[in-house]
Amino acid sequence: KAGVTQTPRYLIKTRGQQVTLSCSPISGHRSVSWYQQTPGQGLQFLFEYFSETQRNKGNFPGRFSGRQFSNSRSEMNVSTLELGDSALYLCASSYRGENNNSPLHFGNGTRLTVT
Amino acid sequence: TQLLEQSPQFLSIQEGENLTVYCNSSSVFSSLQWYRQEPGEGPVLLVTVVTGGEVKKLKRLTFQFGDARKDSSLHITAAQPGDTGLYLCATRGGGADGLTFGKGTHLIIQP
Repeated sequence: KAGVTQTPRYLIKTRGQQVTLSCSPISGHRSVSWYQQTPGQGLQFLFEYFSETQRNKGNFPGRFSGRQFSNSRSEMNVSTLELGDSALYLCASSYRGENNNSPLHFGNGTRLTVT
Repeated sequence: TQLLEQSPQFLSIQEGENLTVYCNSSSVFSSLQWYRQEPGEGPVLLVTVVTGGEVKKLKRLTFQFGDARKDSSLHITAAQPGDTGLYLCATRGGGADGLTFGKGTHLIIQP
């Protein structure tokens, strides 16, 4: 069974630009969650999508948005990039989602560098 | 939001030694998960503990959940270089959606 796939693995962007990251969950998983990992703050929850609907949201500004498609693949978008957005962005899929304590399966992340 | 404190932040030991890392909170955990993250990869779930006083073993790794469900420990016996990684504890609830993670213990096992 293929794991969670995130593309691209690495991205370099300039302040003010926008970026889109992609996540393909494990087949059959309907929930996709996104997390940001930085050395200073550790792993922080961004949002969760379940069956194409945002179900949970963390404490991040509106510049961070996402969506989920009918095949459960998800994209995350960050607009007007700031230097502080440099981080490893991790996607995790699960069968029943965060609210049901379903085990999360993480991808290997997208390393975003903002210059 | 429930805050998780992990200690030590960094630990470097020789192969074959034993070690214990800790995860503490001022609030009661509903449940607690332990993850290991290797360089360049995402976290991998090791175990979930739910009941106060619970002990779970995964080969050389022993996970303990405190009786009051406010702390947990991970003990590794006869550490091997393959145990190297970032060990993270995580929990749900406390007013936050999604998992709340501690900042982790960076463990290096030297051959």
